[in-house]
Amino acid sequence: DVKVTQSSRYLVKRTGEKVFLECVQDMDHENMFWYRQDPGLGLRLIYFSYDVKMKEKGDIPEGYSVSREKKERFSLILESASTNQTSMYLCASSPGDRANTEAFFGQGTRLTVV
Amino acid sequence: KNEVEQSPQNLTAQEGEFITINCSYSVGISALHWLQQHPGGGIVSLFMLSSGKKKHGRLIATINIQEKHSSLHITASHPRDSAVYICAVRGGSNYKLTFGKGTLLTVNP
Repeated sequence: DVKVTQSSRYLVKRTGEKVFLECVQDMDHENMFWYRQDPGLGLRLIYFSYDVKMKEKGDIPEGYSVSREKKERFSLILESASTNQTSMYLCASSPGDRANTEAFFGQGTRLTVV
Repeated sequence: KNEVEQSPQNLTAQEGEFITINCSYSVGISALHWLQQHPGGGIVSLFMLSSGKKKHGRLIATINIQEKHSSLHITASHPRDSAVYICAVRGGSNYKLTFGKGTLLTVNP
């Protein structure tokens, strides 16, 4: 079974802190994604990566950065956390760049910024 | 950009009822996904479709490419089916997904 593991289920951080959300997948997938999920807005893509050290901005990259130094690990960084970044964050991975491939999701990290 | 609309937003059913959730999209796609999210939980992929129909247990997913429409059916619904069901589409060779806002299903015993 493919496993996408996020480092924390719940996280509480203070405004202005630098926050790291970690995601690891064990199926050698090329593509990895970070989404945030908010009530009434659904899932929105923050960043994705299609290879080690490669990244592209998604729909809402402002206030975030990412790091992919190894194929299995994709980190989301909140440079200076703000209350409007309180959300559920979901990581996903998928194999290759073929269109018809399944995506696999982590269990989510609920981040609260106070 | 593809617009993905799901209906209904909320659905309450009695155990045993037949459930249908609909998904419409605006631009041609290469694949459509149905996903399930339990409260507080991660997301699980139920189906990936590019044409026709797929069945897994009590779940059936259909897609009509010409009409840009897909349905997810649950037969003999059960309280454990209570979850948010999300439709997502992928266009062309682009591996990014566009998501609907989800349908919250509650099945009462």
